[in-house]
Amino acid sequence: EAQVTQNPRYLITVTGKKLTVTCSQNMNHEYMSWYRQDPGLGLRQIYYSMNVEVTDKGDVPEGYKVSRKEKRNFPLILESPSPNQTSLYFCASRPRGSLAGDLSEQYFGPGTRLTVT
Amino acid sequence: DQQVKQNSPSLSVQEGRISILNCDYTNSMFDYFLWYKKYPAEGPTFLISISSIKDKNEDGRFTVFLNKSAKHLSLHIVPSQPGDSAVYFCAASALARDDKIIFGKGTRLHILP
Repeated sequence: EAQVTQNPRYLITVTGKKLTVTCSQNMNHEYMSWYRQDPGLGLRQIYYSMNVEVTDKGDVPEGYKVSRKEKRNFPLILESPSPNQTSLYFCASRPRGSLAGDLSEQYFGPGTRLTVT
Repeated sequence: DQQVKQNSPSLSVQEGRISILNCDYTNSMFDYFLWYKKYPAEGPTFLISISSIKDKNEDGRFTVFLNKSAKHLSLHIVPSQPGDSAVYFCAASALARDDKIIFGKGTRLHILP
């Protein structure tokens, strides 16, 4: 079954304590990305990766890091979380390319609800 | 600058009637548009898409209309069913430039019994 998995699904942490949210996909997709969803703001892209060892900033990258050492995994790292990073996070993957069909094959993970106190 | 706008945060529709969700965009480079559906505690899932070379795309109860001159698209759901209650995200991409997808803020659709 094609899927994107994220862990943990829920996390409550304190300001400044480093954390990592893992993301893994089993579809051999080149393109992976992280989004955050906030009330009234919709889905905003944090970082994306077009392939292994290739990452780039999205629209709201401040306070986040990512790595892409393997094709299937794309962890999101918060080195020093702050309360304004309390949000719902989604990882997504799709084939890379400029074909319309590639865009419609984007799969999202189930989400990670993060609370930073 | 918000490039994809969904100006209605929520919409309530009677079961069996038509639901119309609207979306406006500002970037004339956008040439591909998508709608995603999201249930609580789940990630968004792809629903339907349309290329800028078309003005309509239909898939079962779902139809997307594109008006390029007005930079407006709409999603029609007929007939609306209880399972359609969800948040709907409009999204757009400029395939000729890159394959980045820009999302709107979403519209929460409530189907009333």
